[in-house]
Amino acid sequence: AQSVTQPDIHITVSEGASLELRCNYSYGATPYLFWYVQSPGQGLQLLLKYFSGDTLVQGIKGFEAEFKRSQSSFNLRKPSVHWSDAAEYFCAVGSQTTSGTYKYIFGTGTRLKVLA
Amino acid sequence: KAGVTQTPRYLIKTRGQQVTLSCSPISGHRSVSWYQQTPGQGLQFLFEYFSETQRNKGNFPGRFSGRQFSNSRSEMNVSTLELGDSALYLCASSKGTYSYNEQFFGPGTRLTVL
Repeated sequence: AQSVTQPDIHITVSEGASLELRCNYSYGATPYLFWYVQSPGQGLQLLLKYFSGDTLVQGIKGFEAEFKRSQSSFNLRKPSVHWSDAAEYFCAVGSQTTSGTYKYIFGTGTRLKVLA
Repeated sequence: KAGVTQTPRYLIKTRGQQVTLSCSPISGHRSVSWYQQTPGQGLQFLFEYFSETQRNKGNFPGRFSGRQFSNSRSEMNVSTLELGDSALYLCASSKGTYSYNEQFFGPGTRLTVL
């Protein structure tokens, strides 16, 4: 069965420091992979997505992620964190259903705290 | 372009009652998906509607149901509420064609069951 694992429940970094959030997935075929961010009281906003091609994808707000098939990973990175990046981050995999449509499986999230 | 809207934003009910949540998708989007978000279980897929038909369904009991109207607006209903139904219910809309379409999420409805 498809699954997504985010091993870090909480991460704390200082403002200006680099950031890497881990995501591992289990999926038989080539996955569609996503990172979303959720600020308190808000819905989810898509940061970036991977379908195929270049394994390093750029997203909004200065985020990037690298797809590594051999490690079944899709880690999110940012070279310099801003205080406004404090939020919860979700990794997701899109899997095709038998009807040909897609359903999305989300990881349990990583809550990011940024120290001034 | 207006985003996905959900009403109400907050709701308090008691056990045994039923509740109806509403979602208006982005104009032109024909697919609406519902998710339940709780601290313990994370984000779990409830169901997806496309052109007034349920196209995909998650692993939730029959107390959870939904429907979609001809204007693509969707409602979900939970009957015989249990304490464990307390959660943030998120709605997401997409164009819904048979290829990946980005999902756009609403702000959610926070349901508290007492």
